[in-house]
Amino acid sequence: KQEVTQIPAALSVPEGENLVLNCSFTDSAIYNLQWFRQDPGKGLTSLLLIQSSQREQTSGRLNASLDKSSGRSTLYIAASQPGDSATYLCAVKPRDTGANSKLTFGKGITLSVRP
Amino acid sequence: EPEVTQTPSHQVTQMGQEVILRCVPISNHLYFYWYRQILGQKVEFLVSFYNNEISEKSEIFDDQFSVERPDGSNFTLKIRSTKLEDSAMYFCASSDRLSTDTQYFGPGTRLTVL
Repeated sequence: KQEVTQIPAALSVPEGENLVLNCSFTDSAIYNLQWFRQDPGKGLTSLLLIQSSQREQTSGRLNASLDKSSGRSTLYIAASQPGDSATYLCAVKPRDTGANSKLTFGKGITLSVRP
Repeated sequence: EPEVTQTPSHQVTQMGQEVILRCVPISNHLYFYWYRQILGQKVEFLVSFYNNEISEKSEIFDDQFSVERPDGSNFTLKIRSTKLEDSAMYFCASSDRLSTDTQYFGPGTRLTVL
């Protein structure tokens, strides 16, 4: 059974710092990995999706990497801003069951960027 | 930009009552999902739906739950007899495998069972 872990549960950094959020998963047979942002009491906003054949994806100040063999992904946020404060979740989709299959989520990392 | 919408944003109900949560997926998407998030816990998969039938469901999705696509736009989750432990945020999602396969989530419905 796939397990997704995100440690630490919470992180507080000063504005302007570059930071890395970690995600690990137990079963490397994945179809893709998706990073989401969740603001308090709100829905999930997709940030980046990495297919299993890819090593990284970039969008603006965000860069996500994937090392499937070691079961790890990182989300790099450059020059953090107070508006980046939110919970960041990673989720993996298994390979075997095809495209229409469930995402397994980590519990998320709650990021606070101090002005 | 197209988005998934959900109604209502908050539903309060008495234990044992039936509730229907509604979702309008992105219009050209073919795959639909329900997830839930109990306060302070992980987002959990409930069910996926394609071509008017359930593709996959989790152990949470028991006989008290059902899904339906009653017309060309809505996708609903029904809980027949709510329990206290059904209190959670329920998210609808949709995807189009022909593109990036990203799942796009709605804003959620907060269900409170008293």
